[in-house]
Amino acid sequence: DVKVTQSSRYLVKRTGEKVFLECVQDMDHENMFWYRQDPGLGLRLIYFSYDVKMKEKGDIPEGYSVSREKKERFSLILESASTNQTSMYLCASSFPDRYNEQFFGPGTRLTVL
Amino acid sequence: AQTVTQSQPEMSVQEAETVTLSCTYDTSESDYYLFWYKQPPSRQMILVIRQEAYKQQNATENRFSVNFQKAAKSFSLKISDSQLGDAAMYFCAYRSAGAGGTSYGKLTFGQGTILTVHP
Repeated sequence: DVKVTQSSRYLVKRTGEKVFLECVQDMDHENMFWYRQDPGLGLRLIYFSYDVKMKEKGDIPEGYSVSREKKERFSLILESASTNQTSMYLCASSFPDRYNEQFFGPGTRLTVL
Repeated sequence: AQTVTQSQPEMSVQEAETVTLSCTYDTSESDYYLFWYKQPPSRQMILVIRQEAYKQQNATENRFSVNFQKAAKSFSLKISDSQLGDAAMYFCAYRSAGAGGTSYGKLTFGQGTILTVHP
């Protein structure tokens, strides 16, 4: 079974703090994704990576950055957390075959106070 | 850009009954994939069913089936014999088939529909 894990289920941070969200997958997937999930908005893509050290902006990259130094790990960084970044963050990975099925982690509920 | 719309924020169904969740999308592409994902209260999102746009036959997976209307850009999910374990948030998603690696498997999601199953 594909397993995607995220470092924390719940996280509380203060405004202005630097926040790291970690995602690890164990299936040697090339593609990895970070989404945020908000009520009424569904999932929106923040960043994705198709290879080590490669990254592409998604639909809402402002206020975020990412790092992928190893194939299995994809980190989302909030350089200076703000209250409007309070959200559920979901990581996913996929193998770039015909279906490119995405497998999701359990999510991190981030609250910025 | 593609958009996906789920117009039903919430739906409910009695156990053992059938329910249909609606999804419409907008695209100018002819080759793409459509998906339904399920997110139970525990939050781990899982794939329920997928449809390839070039296939006219509607996909089925056990109690789950889709009604894919390409001309109408409609992609509804039918759950038959509903079970308590079907209670979840359901997301419709679109993915371009892409040329080469340009799409990288990016998904565009709808807003989600919360499904409640009553015993």
